[in-house]
Amino acid sequence: GENVEQHPSTLSVQEGDSAVIKCTYSDSASNYFPWYKQELGKGPQLIIDIRSNVGEKKDQRIAVTLNKTAKHFSLHITETQPEDSAVYFCAAPGGTSYGKLTFGQGTILTVHP
Amino acid sequence: GAGVSQSPSNKVTEKGKDVELRCDPISGHTALYWYRQSLGQGLEFLIYFQGNSAPDKSGLPSDRFSAERTGGSVSTLTIQRTQQEDSAVYLCASSFRTAPRTDTQYFGPGTRLTVL
Repeated sequence: GENVEQHPSTLSVQEGDSAVIKCTYSDSASNYFPWYKQELGKGPQLIIDIRSNVGEKKDQRIAVTLNKTAKHFSLHITETQPEDSAVYFCAAPGGTSYGKLTFGQGTILTVHP
Repeated sequence: GAGVSQSPSNKVTEKGKDVELRCDPISGHTALYWYRQSLGQGLEFLIYFQGNSAPDKSGLPSDRFSAERTGGSVSTLTIQRTQQEDSAVYLCASSFRTAPRTDTQYFGPGTRLTVL
């Protein structure tokens, strides 16, 4: 089955700095890579996703890059704000044809004002 | 439009009791997923429904766990004879099936289960 590794487990930045979270996956057939943001006491919220036919996708301050050869993808947040503080999860399809997701272990991002 | 809803939001039960957790998916979403999130951990897949059928239930941890979906909509996750290790947040997600392995999944707020 799919295995997703996520680093770092915690990330602390100053407001205005950039933050980068990296994930690797094992199944070369995986073709969809979402990123979720989870705030305390809430369910995960999709913030951006990328499909394997593109190498990069941007949405305002958030971008995701994908390297299929190396089997890794990254989340980039620019001009971080305190409200970006949350737990971020990457995911990849779970190695079957049905679309279950295998998640990374999460990154606790703290943005200091 | 309305998102995925789950009830109850919190459930406290005694060891050995049965519990039922409910999920209402986004209207029109044919696929429904259950995940479990233990304290400080990532999300662990439990079961997937396409319509009322469950093609993948590989993540259910034991035969104490079961789930059903009726009318292609509401799903119930049942845990029998609860144990303390069942304590976790149970998350439901749904998606509009467009293509296998590439659906966007939308999550509900979760049910926090505490087994005393």
